[in-house]
Amino acid sequence: DTGVSQDPRHKITKRGQNVTFRCDPISEHNRLYWYRQTLGQGPEFLTYFQNEAQLEKSRLLSDRFSAERPKGSFSTLEIQRTEQGDSAMYLCASSSTGGFEQFFGPGTRLTVL
Amino acid sequence: KQEVTQIPAALSVPEGENLVLNCSFTDSAIYNLQWFRQDPGKGLTSLLLIQSSQREQTSGRLNASLDKSSGRSTLYIAASQPGDSATYLCAVYTGANSKLTFGKGITLSVRP
Repeated sequence: DTGVSQDPRHKITKRGQNVTFRCDPISEHNRLYWYRQTLGQGPEFLTYFQNEAQLEKSRLLSDRFSAERPKGSFSTLEIQRTEQGDSAMYLCASSSTGGFEQFFGPGTRLTVL
Repeated sequence: KQEVTQIPAALSVPEGENLVLNCSFTDSAIYNLQWFRQDPGKGLTSLLLIQSSQREQTSGRLNASLDKSSGRSTLYIAASQPGDSATYLCAVYTGANSKLTFGKGITLSVRP
């Protein structure tokens, strides 16, 4: 399977805990995006990487959120001290430079109790 | 700030009907527009991508059109089937980093 993969698919955590999600983009795609989707809403942009460089961050990405793409391949999104409002579907997408079309992974559904 | 609107939020039609889903956006300076399908609790499946220089794209029973000057796109579904039941999301590519701005989606139910 050469599509975008995300792990885990589901995560249940207690308020105040830290969680980390992983995204593996399509190989050779150097652009990687994170989005967040809450119930009944469309996905909202969180952050964007070109290779290993994080080039844009949304105001939605508070200080408790951090994203990395250390070798320009997979990416991780960490949420520290989770809050109930962090409950959402976290989606990852990738695209190639010069190609606009983004391909999405299956998402990680986070539930904060 | 780009805003994408999809109205109505939900639509229920009988099987076999041809239908049109609408999408509007506020800033016509877009690169491309993409339609997605999302099944409950799942990720996004790309349906059609329309480049800014194109007027429409077709794939099977789906046809999407783009009118940049008026800030509108439509997704036409021919001969709808119960398997078409899902949420349909419209998104536009804007800015140097080509991030997507999404509408809230239209939840379609096709009744057998």
